[in-house]
Amino acid sequence: GQQVMQIPQYQHVQEGEDFTTYCNSSTTLSNIQWYKQRPGGHPVFLIQLVKSGEVKKQKRLTFQFGEAKKNSSLHITATQTTDVGTYFCAPAGSGAGSYQLTFGKGTKLSVIP
Amino acid sequence: DADVTQTPRNRITKTGKRIMLECSQTKGHDRMYWYRQDPGLGLRLIYYSFDVKDINKGEISDGYSVSRQAQAKFSLSLESAIPNQTALYFCATSDLSPFNEQFFGPGTRLTVL
Repeated sequence: GQQVMQIPQYQHVQEGEDFTTYCNSSTTLSNIQWYKQRPGGHPVFLIQLVKSGEVKKQKRLTFQFGEAKKNSSLHITATQTTDVGTYFCAPAGSGAGSYQLTFGKGTKLSVIP
Repeated sequence: DADVTQTPRNRITKTGKRIMLECSQTKGHDRMYWYRQDPGLGLRLIYYSFDVKDINKGEISDGYSVSRQAQAKFSLSLESAIPNQTALYFCATSDLSPFNEQFFGPGTRLTVL
């Protein structure tokens, strides 16, 4: 699978502030998925990005895939306490390895009310 | 009812004991996966299966074995548990479409004393 670095590892924000987590790879990615894991819960799929430069939005969440397909980001506008959790990027391999996801170590978001 | 179930949800065992973690799914997916989650390390793939006749090692398969008893059931065994196998274990499923999202079970928290 693909190796990725996800930063930051932790982020504490005041409710209403914005939040961004980044996923960086030294190699070109075929696609990337993002998951959210609430405290005590299991990872839940958020989105998949496939195309170079792709930008997708889900309400206050904006996902981007870099032009070179080596990095991706998740941006949350005006965080709420419901955004608390750990966000993982998960690039998939290519070709025969496309079914395997390699998860980043995650960014744990805390939101201070 | 949950689409992906795991039993047991919690287990405490002793070093050297054989342990089996079970996963069942009602989603009709062919692909099933076992992951291990440790604090700060994200999710690491242990084994995955495309169908009942197809089993593949993941990133960290040493010390583990699996059995795909049916399309809906995928079990993970620790033949002789050791303390550094203490972790949260997740089962996941996905369908045959390339790059498709994975659906996770609730997890099994295993403690090896």
